[in-house]
Amino acid sequence: EMVMTQSPASLSVSPGERATLSCKASQSIGSNLAWYQQKPGQAPRLLIYGASTRATGIPARFSGSGSGTEFTLTISSLQSEDFVVYYCQQYNHWYTFGQGTKLEIK
Amino acid sequence: VQLVQSGAEVKKPGASVKVSCKASGYTFSNHGISWVRQAPGQGLEWMGWITAYNGDTYYVQKYMGRMSMTTDASTNTAYMELRGLTSDDTAMYYCVREVTSISHDYWGQGTLVSVSS
Repeated sequence: EMVMTQSPASLSVSPGERATLSCKASQSIGSNLAWYQQKPGQAPRLLIYGASTRATGIPARFSGSGSGTEFTLTISSLQSEDFVVYYCQQYNHWYTFGQGTKLEIK
Repeated sequence: VQLVQSGAEVKKPGASVKVSCKASGYTFSNHGISWVRQAPGQGLEWMGWITAYNGDTYYVQKYMGRMSMTTDASTNTAYMELRGLTSDDTAMYYCVREVTSISHDYWGQGTLVSVSS
């Protein structure tokens, strides 16, 4: 069974600073990883696919990296609207979500 | 591209619920549809997938036998039925368009299913 583990569960960062979110897969998934952003009361939005490709309309301050089992979402120069929840998802073998990381204002 | 889901439902334990997801803005048969649920205050859980091309399905094991997914090509609509509801099934249910090599790009607005006696 594929397990996706995100860390930390919550992260406090000041506006304008950089945030680094981690996602680890229990087995290798190549680059078949997506990141989603979910704002309160809204459906998730695709940010990154293929581990590092930004989806249409996603600002350049969002970047993804990694392959195999370890992945990172980096948000440079945090804006107020970025302080929400982020999920990783593997799609190498069907789909599995991580448990999410909540980004909080420090 | 739009996925428009049916409205909120309130059900008694043991009942069934059927959620619809009407797709527009793309060729329905060219993409699969996944169903994802989110319990209150919890994370996202992928439940299963159906292709509108030929109706093939894949169910996460915990939902096998209790969940059915179908599509209607004449109306570009996907359906998800969940039977034997318990309070643990109280959640927002999303339909999501699948894109090969990208995962999921467009999400429905969600359908809140509440199960309470």
